[in-house]
Amino acid sequence: KAGVTQTPRYLIKTRGQQVTLSCSPISGHRSVSWYQQTPGQGLQFLFEYFSETQRNKGNFPGRFSGRQFSNSRSEMNVSTLELGDSALYLCASREGRRNTGELFFGEGSRLTVL
Amino acid sequence: GQQLNQSPQSMFIQEGEDVSMNCTSSSIFNTWLWYKQDPGEGPVLLIALYKAGELTSNGRLTAQFGITRKDSFLNISASIPSDVGIYFCAGLMNYGGSQGNLIFGKGTKLSVKP
Repeated sequence: KAGVTQTPRYLIKTRGQQVTLSCSPISGHRSVSWYQQTPGQGLQFLFEYFSETQRNKGNFPGRFSGRQFSNSRSEMNVSTLELGDSALYLCASREGRRNTGELFFGEGSRLTVL
Repeated sequence: GQQLNQSPQSMFIQEGEDVSMNCTSSSIFNTWLWYKQDPGEGPVLLIALYKAGELTSNGRLTAQFGITRKDSFLNISASIPSDVGIYFCAGLMNYGGSQGNLIFGKGTKLSVKP
């Protein structure tokens, strides 16, 4: 079974631009969560989608948004990029409706904002 | 918001030594988990604990869910070079219809001298 796949792995953007990151969960997993990882703040929850519906949202500004498609693939978008958005963005999937905390993470998309 | 205090932040140990790390919170959780992240990879689940007082092992790893539900401990016995990485504790509180979301500690960076 293939793992969680994130694209692109690395990208460089400039301030003010926008970026879209993609995540393909493990086959059969309907829940996709996104996390931002930085050296200073660690892993912080962005949002979770289940069956195309956002079920939970972290404390991030509205510039961060996401969506999930009918095949469970998910995208997150960050608009009007700021230097502080430089981070590793991790996607994680799980199978069931109930959150047990057992997540399968992808390798992440490393975003650098110049 | 909720925060997890994970210690130590980093440690250097000799191969063969035992390792201990812990995580505390001012809030209670009904699930504690431990993840490990290798360089360039996403976190991987090591152990999940679902009951206060529970002690669970996974090979050389042993973790405990504190009786107060506000802390957890991870022990690694007879460390080997491949134990190098960053270990994260994570807490989850879901109740009623809320799925909750994982709160992560800042991590313990483990370096092993061969």
